Amino acid sequence: GNSVTQMEGPVTLSEEAFLTINCTYTATGYPSLFWYVQYPGEGLQLLLKATKADDKGSNKGFEATYRKETTSFHLEKGSVQVSDSAVYFCALSDGSSNTGKLIFGQGTTLQVKP
Amino acid sequence: EAEVAQSPRYKITEKSQAVAFWCDPISGHATLYWYRQILGQGPELLVQFQDESVVDDSQLPKDRFSAERLKGVDSTLKIQPAELGDSAMYLCASSPRQGKGETQYFGPGTRLLVL
Repeated sequence: GNSVTQMEGPVTLSEEAFLTINCTYTATGYPSLFWYVQYPGEGLQLLLKATKADDKGSNKGFEATYRKETTSFHLEKGSVQVSDSAVYFCALSDGSSNTGKLIFGQGTTLQVKP
Repeated sequence: EAEVAQSPRYKITEKSQAVAFWCDPISGHATLYWYRQILGQGPELLVQFQDESVVDDSQLPKDRFSAERLKGVDSTLKIQPAELGDSAMYLCASSPRQGKGETQYFGPGTRLLVL
């Protein structure tokens, strides 16, 4: 079945450090891939998405590339800020059923220290 | 900017009691989702509506959970009776239409604690 695996957290970085959060997936068909972010006490917000292989999603300095050959969608940012501290979820939307149902990874907590 | 509304934000109940959660999606969004997020895990879909019709309720524990979206706008999720294992965050999301590339917009969630 479909599944998403993220690197375990928490990830603790100093401000201005480079961020990578690994995400790999298993899916039938051709899924769309998403990164959502959850700030403390809030719901999930879309950070970026990619709908086909080799697409790069980007937003707020974050980016991720849909790699079909390695079934990966790793999240990167060149210089993190304290305000980026949150939980990050990688998710896929199944391409075979096309209902839009999201399957999430377990989440990775990022803590950025000044 | 339009948002998904949910109420209540927090609910404490005793096991065997009934609880209900309400969601008002972004105006014009045809597709509505209810997810359950257990602490430390990613959300899991409970039920999906397209207008007033259920598209997927395969993960909804139908012996105790029910969901409706009578006029294809707002929705209610009910648990009766609540069990200790139901303690979680219940998230509602909506999208303009269903499809694998569609962005889902999430509400703030209802945090349920069952004692």
